[in-house]
Amino acid sequence: DAEITQSPRHKITETGRQVTLACHQTWNHNNMFWYRQDLGHGLRLIHYSYGVHDTNKGEVSDGYSVSRSNTEDLPLTLESAASSQTSVYFCASRKGLNTEAFFGQGTRLTVV
Amino acid sequence: DAKTTQPPSMDCAEGRAANLPCNHSTISGNEYVYWYRQIHSQGPQYIIHGLKNNETNEMASLIITEDRKSSTLILPHATLRDTAVYYCIVRPPNTGNQFYFGTGTSLTVIP
Repeated sequence: DAEITQSPRHKITETGRQVTLACHQTWNHNNMFWYRQDLGHGLRLIHYSYGVHDTNKGEVSDGYSVSRSNTEDLPLTLESAASSQTSVYFCASRKGLNTEAFFGQGTRLTVV
Repeated sequence: DAKTTQPPSMDCAEGRAANLPCNHSTISGNEYVYWYRQIHSQGPQYIIHGLKNNETNEMASLIITEDRKSSTLILPHATLRDTAVYYCIVRPPNTGNQFYFGTGTSLTVIP
């Protein structure tokens, strides 16, 4: 079955380190998204991509970057991790407009 | 912006129908209404979506008013496993394929 997977599921890193969170989907969806969710809040969009070599900033993109070198993967990089980036991160993919999106199970990141 | 308004929390007795309302009075004519839920800290789970007509699947029913300014998600026989935060999502105009989440409704199913 097609799926979307995130890795790692949990990570602890130190302030100032570069961190990359992986997202891989096997649906061949063009559209991929990264969200963060802080305790007691909804999901906020970080970055998104409509296809290979396309990337766009979302609502809370400062301190994050993404790259799209193939259809299946959209890695999220924190260039210099900060304590404010401690959060749960969700990746999603979607075939196109008017279709549902599928979400990964999340990566819990703690920056100490 | 096409925004949605949902009650912050609701309770429902186990076995009864859960009716979750959503107001989206600024929705444009060709935008779908999507419903997702998030159980504890898991990834959001797709439930259903619709444009004008009422929709039903194995999880729920979606009732959209004729003027499309509001909708109701119905879980016909709520179980304890339906306890979750439910999000009603409408795409804002002039945006792409991305979803923007509000704060949703926290549904608690009571034994």
